[in-house]
Amino acid sequence: NAGVTQTPKFRILKIGQSMTLQCAQDMNHNYMYWYRQDPGMGLKLIYYSVGAGITDKGEVPNGYNVSRSTTEDFPLRLELAAPSQTSVYFCASSYSLAGRTDTQYFGPGTRLTVL
Amino acid sequence: DAKTTQPNSMESNEEEPVHLPCNHSTISGTDYIHWYRQLPSQGPEYVIHGLTSNVNNRMASLAIAEDRKSSTLILHRATLRDAAVYYCIHEGQGFSFIFGKGTRLLVKP
Repeated sequence: NAGVTQTPKFRILKIGQSMTLQCAQDMNHNYMYWYRQDPGMGLKLIYYSVGAGITDKGEVPNGYNVSRSTTEDFPLRLELAAPSQTSVYFCASSYSLAGRTDTQYFGPGTRLTVL
Repeated sequence: DAKTTQPNSMESNEEEPVHLPCNHSTISGTDYIHWYRQLPSQGPEYVIHGLTSNVNNRMASLAIAEDRKSSTLILHRATLRDAAVYYCIHEGQGFSFIFGKGTRLLVKP
């Protein structure tokens, strides 16, 4: 199994540009998550999904959009990039029941710089 | 909010045990305690989790206080590869899974 994969690894955007961060998992996990990590800080949850077609906001959703059309994929969309979105983005997945999170498996991250 | 308090950093000598503390004073009876660690330039990885009683796995042990307001992650013999940031996460209600700043563990040879 490849686990959780993320593309691209690095990206530089200009202010106002848009892009999609890709995330895929091959473990048949129902839950998927997007986090961002600013320098020297812990991770903050942006959005999560409990299954295909179902998404919900996390702690810091502003400026982002997500969709979950399949179990495997959970792309994160930035519509109008701003310098405040410079961060490392991590995707994760887990197999969870009854609304509780279980062991989360993380991807390697995407380092995004907005200039 | 399901928040935790951890020391910013700790040091250990190689091959000695390490006890990483965490306070989670707002925990309720059904909330789990999770520990993850993050090696440099990598995503976090799961270490261990528990509810009430102590837990052991191949990576570490988790000791949970009787009142559940604190816990300790125990690495029995630290290696240089254990140098990482360790996050204690109190999983609260309504999908509250908050990573704090964690404890940076330095392992000295």
